[in-house]
Order: sequence, then structure tokens, then C-alpha cells
Amino acid sequence: EDQVTQSPEALRLQEGESSSLNCSYTVSGLRGLFWYRQDPGKGPEFLFTLYSAGEEKEKERLKATLTKKESFLHITAPKPEDSATYLCAVQAIGYKLSFGAGTTVTVRA
Amino acid sequence: DVKVTQSSRYLVKRTGEKVFLECVQDMDHENMFWYRQDPGLGLRLIYFSYDVKMKEKGDIPEGYSVSREKKERFSLILESASTNQTSMYLCASSALDSGYGYTFGSGTRLTVV
Repeated sequence: EDQVTQSPEALRLQEGESSSLNCSYTVSGLRGLFWYRQDPGKGPEFLFTLYSAGEEKEKERLKATLTKKESFLHITAPKPEDSATYLCAVQAIGYKLSFGAGTTVTVRA
Repeated sequence: DVKVTQSSRYLVKRTGEKVFLECVQDMDHENMFWYRQDPGLGLRLIYFSYDVKMKEKGDIPEGYSVSREKKERFSLILESASTNQTSMYLCASSALDSGYGYTFGSGTRLTVV
């Protein structure tokens, strides 16, 4: 069974204070690892897909990296608008995604 | 702008009622999914469908059923609502082998009293 564990559960940052979120996974035959952002009361929004170890993707202040066992989402110089829950998901065989419980990030001005 | 639309944002139902949650997508996606989201548990897959009239059980199908009569519409049915089905329900769709994963709806927050 695919397993996805995200840490920490919650992260409180000062504006400009860079940090990283962790997503560790166990899956047979990884087809893709996905990062989503979810704002309160809304559905998750797609951020990145990573396919193989060593791959990196960037978008504004966010950078996602992938190894054979984990992925990191780095937030550089965060702003209050980066406050959200960040979800990690893995896709193995078929179309299903298995999600972690998420990391809730709060950025204070 | 492509989207997944869930018919209700908030619902309050009584224990024992039959509840229908509707989801429509306008992207001509083959795959559709129903998840529930609970604090500390993340998103858990209830049912999914990869074609019209096709359905497969996810990880927590007990107490739920689904219907997909048309490609764009995927309905989740709570046969007899119970208080432990109080949750946020998220519908999603995806194309075959999509590198973008899923597109999600805004969710339906269901409260069973």
C-alpha cells in the first residue's frame, strides 16, 4: 500500500524566513509526485509534478525537489500570501493519487 | 477557464437521509474521483471512475455509492447518512496519464446531524 507522510504538520514563519516542507513516501513504481496548495474552504490547486530522482521544479518562491524516498518543498523568503496547506501526493500504477495529510504554513508579516 | 463544479458548498442533512453530491467537469476528462478530507487524515479516496458507467472502489467505500451516467458528471451517494460521514467532500477529474494530476472542485462541506 502506498504511504505518504508529510512533516511538520504545521509551520509558522516570519515573513522572509525561508524553510522547507518534507514529504516522505513508500510506493511501488513511482509514476509521479505531485504538490498542491489548498486555501481554507477551497479545493487543492496544482503546483508541481516531479517524475524522477534529482528533478527540480520552481515557481516564484517555491521550489520542489525529489529523491528516491522523499520530496522537499522549499519556500524562499515567504510572504503572508504563501499561507496555505501544502499537500503532497504520489501516483503509482493507474490513475489514483495517494495524499499525505498536509503541512499548514502560516506566514506572519 | 476549465473547471470542476460541485453543486453545493454546504449541506446539512439528518441521520438516515439519502444524500446526493453532484460533480460536473467541463474538460472532457476520462477519470473522475471522490475524496473526503478530514483533519489529520488528509484526502482519502472513496470511489473513482475511468469511464462512463464504470466505477471502482477506493480506500473507504463503505456507506457510499456512485453513479456516472454521462462523461461529465459523477455523483456520490450516501445511502443512509451517519454522523461519521460529516466531512469535506472533494471531487476531482483528470485526463488519462495527465502530468497535472487532478483538477479539484471547491468541495462540499457536509454536516450530518
